[in-house]
This record gives sequence, C-alpha cells and structure tokens, in this order.
Amino acid sequence: DTAVSQTPKYLVTQMGNDKSIKCEQNLGHDTMYWYKQDSKKFLKIMFSYNNKELIINETVPNRFSPKSPDKAHLNLHINSLELGDSAVYFCASSQGLVGNEQFFGPGTRLTVL
Amino acid sequence: TQLLEQSPQFLSIQEGENLTVYCNSSSVFSSLQWYRQEPGEGPVLLVTVVTGGEVKKLKRLTFQFGDARKDSSLHITAAQPGDTGLYLCAGARSNDYKLSFGAGTTVTVRA
Repeated sequence: DTAVSQTPKYLVTQMGNDKSIKCEQNLGHDTMYWYKQDSKKFLKIMFSYNNKELIINETVPNRFSPKSPDKAHLNLHINSLELGDSAVYFCASSQGLVGNEQFFGPGTRLTVL
Repeated sequence: TQLLEQSPQFLSIQEGENLTVYCNSSSVFSSLQWYRQEPGEGPVLLVTVVTGGEVKKLKRLTFQFGDARKDSSLHITAAQPGDTGLYLCAGARSNDYKLSFGAGTTVTVRA
C-alpha cells in the first residue's frame, strides 16, 4: 500500500548511456513532480505535471524528458548521462497545484561512472 | 540564489537539549511547510503554516510563521535521538506553481 513508489531504488551506469526512472502514486492526486537532490542535500524542482499537462519545466538540460501517461504515473528518461547527473531523484505527488502537502517517493540514487 | 535561507546548516546537540532552526527570505509566502527527511527516504511533511504570526505545536516541536510571512522557525524542546534528520523548509508563493525549498538543516541528536 505504498503511496508513492519509484523504480529502481539504485541505478549505476556509464557515462553516455540512456536510463529511465519510473514513478507511480496511488493517492489519487492530480499533480506529480520530479526533484533532484544533490550531494549537499539541496532539493531542486525539475518538472511538474498537473492532470498530465506539464506546468513546471525548470532549467533542466534537454537530455531530461518527463512523460506522464496518466495522472498516476510520471516517468523520467535521461539521455546521454553525464557525471554531473549523479544525484538522488525524488518523485512526489500532491492534490492541487501549489501549497498542499507533497508526498515523496523513496528516491532513486543515480550514479554515473 | 536560493529563495529560502536556512540556518544553521548543521546542528549537533545532546539528548535533552533544545534547538531552533531558522528559515528566512525576502519574499512573501502564501504558506510555508516544514519537512523532515531521514537517510534513504523521501521528505515527510511535519506542518504547514499559512497565517502570519501563526504558531503550531506538534508534541515537542513548535513552528512559527513570521508576521510578514517571510520567515519561519522550528523549535524542538528536549530533543531525542529520534529527532535526528534533515529538516527542510519549503515556501509556496501565490503567483508560482512550485514549492521553493531551503538547503536544509542536518540535525544530529546524540544519546
């Protein structure tokens, strides 16, 4: 009965590879997010979808492409991985556009070698 | 530049002591949230404050929202080892879809 789940939990890959992270929420929320948390623990918003529509697209390289097939899923695909992409990526969901509680997944630790 | 400045960055105290974490900004927020994150997990919401001057208590944790809604503080009384974690403040502005997070305060409570 996990609220927000992400797969995989850990991802180790070589520079230049393409990888995807999947996220699912069973809370019935209409808004989902991707965050990147760097080694200094700073949590930075990357993307947000509301009812499958992209509403936040921060300054993120084009190599990152989110996809929301339905309101319960938000996946993140990363092309041509670079060393600087190494971080923990968190998926989150909330009901409504702003100000409401965000429920976070357990995170995906990406290591690019 | 970050919208929300948290201080201190690190805090290590003995069990039973009190501590305060600060979250400051020059911007006005419609609401401010405090999250706690434990190692290997995602942040979990502790409280949301929405009214200037508001004080909320959650057992030994006291949260305050500044009168001008630009700053907030988290005070823990008689800290316990279970309070150890990364504390994050996050603000929502009325003209913005996103939450802006502070850089976090890592709190360690030694037994």
